[in-house]
Amino acid sequence: DVKVTQSSRYLVKRTGEKVFLECVQDMDHENMFWYRQDPGLGLRLIYFSYDVKMKEKGDIPEGYSVSREKKERFSLILESASTNQTSMYLCASTRSWAGIAYEQYFGPGTRLTVT
Amino acid sequence: GDSVTQMEGPVTLSEEAFLTINCTYTATGYPSLFWYVQYPGEGLQLLLKATKADDKGSNKGFEATYRKETTSFHLEKGSVQVSDSAVYFCALIDLTGRRALTFGSGTRLQVQP
Repeated sequence: DVKVTQSSRYLVKRTGEKVFLECVQDMDHENMFWYRQDPGLGLRLIYFSYDVKMKEKGDIPEGYSVSREKKERFSLILESASTNQTSMYLCASTRSWAGIAYEQYFGPGTRLTVT
Repeated sequence: GDSVTQMEGPVTLSEEAFLTINCTYTATGYPSLFWYVQYPGEGLQLLLKATKADDKGSNKGFEATYRKETTSFHLEKGSVQVSDSAVYFCALIDLTGRRALTFGSGTRLQVQP
């Protein structure tokens, strides 16, 4: 069974803290993604990576950075957490494209609260 | 840029009712279209997809047809069950452009017994 796991289901952090969200997939997928999910806004892409050490900005990269040192792991970093980053964060992965839109597999999400 | 528009929810139906959730899109290229579902407390999972015009995706009694002329991909089910209660997301990907999904805002479905 394919699996995308995220390090925490719930996280509470203080304003100004550096926050790490970890995502691991066991499917040998090339592409990995970080989204945030907010009511009424759907999922918005923060960053994605199509290879180790490669990254591309999504629609809302401000205040975030990412790291992909190994193929199976993609980390989202909040350099200095702020209250407007309180949200649900979802990680996803998929096979390489080759002109075919493969299914994205999602993790269960991390609900982050910044106080 | 690409965008997806879904009908606002929540949609509340009685068991065995007919379901339609509207989805329209704008895209510069020729996108593939998806419906994802999120059950309470879980991540998203693919429900169905269609990759070219007039394709019909189907799964678990749900169907959606890729209509290029109306840029639509409406989700339908003939008889909903309580277990279908979830949030449904329409999404597209344009492989000639950015290689990431663009999602709609999601529609919450509540099915009452």
